[in-house]
Amino acid sequence: NAGVTQTPKFRVLKTGQSMTLLCAQDMNHEYMYWYRQDPGMGLRLIHYSVGEGTTAKGEVPDGYNVSRLKKQNFLLGLESAAPSQTSVYFCATQGSYNEQFFGPGTRLTVL
Amino acid sequence: KQEVTQIPAALSVPEGENLVLNCSFTDSAIYNLQWFRQDPGKGLTSLLLIQSSQREQTSGRLNASLDKSSGRSTLYIAASQPGDSATYLCAVRPYQAGTALIFGKGTTLSVSS
Repeated sequence: NAGVTQTPKFRVLKTGQSMTLLCAQDMNHEYMYWYRQDPGMGLRLIHYSVGEGTTAKGEVPDGYNVSRLKKQNFLLGLESAAPSQTSVYFCATQGSYNEQFFGPGTRLTVL
Repeated sequence: KQEVTQIPAALSVPEGENLVLNCSFTDSAIYNLQWFRQDPGKGLTSLLLIQSSQREQTSGRLNASLDKSSGRSTLYIAASQPGDSATYLCAVRPYQAGTALIFGKGTTLSVSS
């Protein structure tokens, strides 16, 4: 089992460009999350999903959109990237005992 | 609003020493508490999960305790090794407002040989 995978691992964008981060899981978990990790700020929740076709806002949702068209995939989109979105993005799923499992992360730099 | 604090922010110990990492949270209404390890440039690896009804969990050289009423958890590492060097994160899952974790900022541990 691959667990939680994220694509891409690294990306550099120019201000105003758009991109989509893909999170895929093979654990059949209902709940999926997108976090960002910044120095001195810790991990903060961007958006989450409690099942296929559902999404909800987290603590820092502005500038991001998400979609959960298939149970195994959770997409995070940046429509118009800003330097403030330079961060490491982590996807996570939640298992039956409410334990969260994280992907390896995507390092995004916005110039 | 739930806040999670980890003290100290950094810790350096010689190999073989037993050590304790501390985590405190402001609201005792939590579903569970989870300890993670993060190596530089890597993702988070779950170490231990303690449900709110439990007092402690053990895995190998690691033991985590939970005192929900006082808002505290500790991660005990026995006989530390250089391979234990990493950042350790504590996170709580509140009962209210969704199901996401609230993270502390972590303790960076360095174990010297």
